[in-house]
Amino acid sequence: QAQLVQSGAEVKMPGSSVKVSCKTSRDTFSSYTLSWVRQAPGHGLEWLGGVIPIFDKTHSARDFQDRIAFTTDESTSTVYIDLNSLTSEDTAVYFCVATPTIATTASRWYFDLWGRGTHVTVSS
Amino acid sequence: QSVLAQPTSASGTPGQRVTISCSGVTSNIGSNYVSWYQQLPEATPQLLIYTNNRRPSGVPDRFSGSKSGTSASLAISGLRSEDEADYYCAAWDDSLGAVIFGGGTKLTVL
Repeated sequence: QAQLVQSGAEVKMPGSSVKVSCKTSRDTFSSYTLSWVRQAPGHGLEWLGGVIPIFDKTHSARDFQDRIAFTTDESTSTVYIDLNSLTSEDTAVYFCVATPTIATTASRWYFDLWGRGTHVTVSS
Repeated sequence: QSVLAQPTSASGTPGQRVTISCSGVTSNIGSNYVSWYQQLPEATPQLLIYTNNRRPSGVPDRFSGSKSGTSASLAISGLRSEDEADYYCAAWDDSLGAVIFGGGTKLTVL
């Protein structure tokens, strides 16, 4: 079973930025679309966007387009999410999730791999 | 953030069959595939159903999904206590260019 290994918890000040990593295997990196889904305390799931590493193509949810970036490091099969201008409303668990690229390119989005999540707390 | 419409709660007794609905519009459920996720208490969500009605390996056949028009449903038959969890539907939305989720349904096994 492929794994998505995420970086550890972060505590950030309002107005700052956070960068969370998600390390995969070489096979997953080359054949999956890697996205980010977050869950605020007591709330539901929210898709932020993702990247298809082999095509270097990104998708971003409109609500975050101005302050989010997705990057990749092929040498370590790692993807990153960078979210800036943080507010308390960004306090959430951020999950790295994966979809077979053959599915996303046919608009069949589903997330069959999940990382354990990274807690991001934004507080002064 | 736009969401698909799900009931906030559902319940059933052991052995019973329950269904959870997920309502959208043409640009999401009406044009694209639906997936369902189960989130047990204090756990990471897991894929339950994909492309409307397919189960990943390891998901019991007690769980089934269907779609008609702009609505989808998750059915759980032979309800068990371990099915008590939050359930979310999701679909791509062509207008938003994004994956959107339902608000989630909390299933209680009485």
